[in-house]
Formats: sequence, C-alpha cells, structure tokens
Amino acid sequence: KAGVTQTPRYLIKTRGQQVTLSCSPISGHRSVSWYQQTPGQGLQFLFEYFSETQRNKGNFPGRFSGRQFSNSRSEMNVSTLELGDSALYLCASREGTGGNEKLFFGSGTQLSVL
Amino acid sequence: AQSVTQLGSHVSVSEGALVLLRCNYSSSVPPYLFWYVQYPNQGLQLLLKYTSAATLVKGINGFEAEFKKSETSFHLTKPSAHMSDAAEYFCAVSPINTPLVFGKGTRLSVIA
Repeated sequence: KAGVTQTPRYLIKTRGQQVTLSCSPISGHRSVSWYQQTPGQGLQFLFEYFSETQRNKGNFPGRFSGRQFSNSRSEMNVSTLELGDSALYLCASREGTGGNEKLFFGSGTQLSVL
Repeated sequence: AQSVTQLGSHVSVSEGALVLLRCNYSSSVPPYLFWYVQYPNQGLQLLLKYTSAATLVKGINGFEAEFKKSETSFHLTKPSAHMSDAAEYFCAVSPINTPLVFGKGTRLSVIA
C-alpha cells in the first residue's frame, strides 16, 4: 500500500497570500488529521476529518480551514498568511477514529512565509 | 485537559549506552499512550503504543516503554543506542474521542 502523500513538499509564500495543501491518505483510511509542527511549539492539532465531516478542531484562528472529499483526500487552506504560519504541516491518516488506532504520517509540507 | 510532558528537549548518549527518554502524562482516566519517532525530513512513525493490555510494551528497533499509573509515566528505553537511533521522539496521549496530544519532543543524539 502506498503511504500518506502530501503535496507540495515545499512552499514559499509572502505575507497576505493564501495557500492550499493537499493530503492523500492510505487507501481505505477514512480519517485524516492535520498538525502544525514548529520548533517552539512542537505538534499542534489543527483538525480531523472523517467521512467528509470535521470531527475535531484545534485552537487555531479561522484563517485555517480544511475539507475532505468523498475519496478521503483532504486539503487545508490558510488565508492571509502571517510570518508565524511558517511551519511543517503534517497530515496523518487512520482507518477509523478509535483512540487506540495509530496514525500514519506523511512527510509533510514545509511552508515558509516571507 | 489531557497533556504530556517530556523531560529534556535534548538527550545525548554514547553509542552502546542506555537510552532513557522521559514522558509524564496527565489524565483522569487510563489513556492510550504512544511513542512516535521522527527522522530528519520525514513524518512521524509509530514506535509503540500502550492500550492497557500489558504495562511493559515492546516496540520496533529494540525500544520498549513501561506504563506506571502511580507515577503517571510512560518512559521510553533502549538498552544499547545505535547511531541510527538519532532522531526526535514524541510521546503522545489519546484521550477518549479526542485527537492525539503530543509532547514537545526530545531530540536524541548518539555519539560515536
């Protein structure tokens, strides 16, 4: 099985722009979660989607949004980019939403905001 | 709210020495606990998980962790460090029906 695929791998944007990141989960996985990773804050949860519905949302401003399609692929969008949005954005998938299910992570999208 | 504290943002050991990475959690009910590893320029991958079946959990690459409820700890150990173990390690707790909460990570360096 192919792993979790995130595109693009690297992005450079300027303040005020918007960006869309894509995630294709492992085949058969219906849950997709997004995390922001920064050196100072570690991994912070953004949101989780299951069968096209947002199940959980982290403590991020409304500029961060996401969606999931019927094929389980997910996108996240950040509007009006700020310098502090520079981070590694990780996507993870799992079959269901049970607490004991492990997450499979993609390699991430490294976003730099100038 | 559930939380995870990893003691030491950076741990350095000699090749062949014991690896001990510390993790304490706060939880009002027995949680699911995980250790993930992140190699440079990669995502995270699961090392091991605790789901209440046994307090001593064995994972991949020779790592293991012991769940101690009285100490609310889930420390990760490996008897003998290899150069290939150099990476960042994350402890995580999974409350019921809510997302994984990660610690801030511990970077492990292995010195030849």
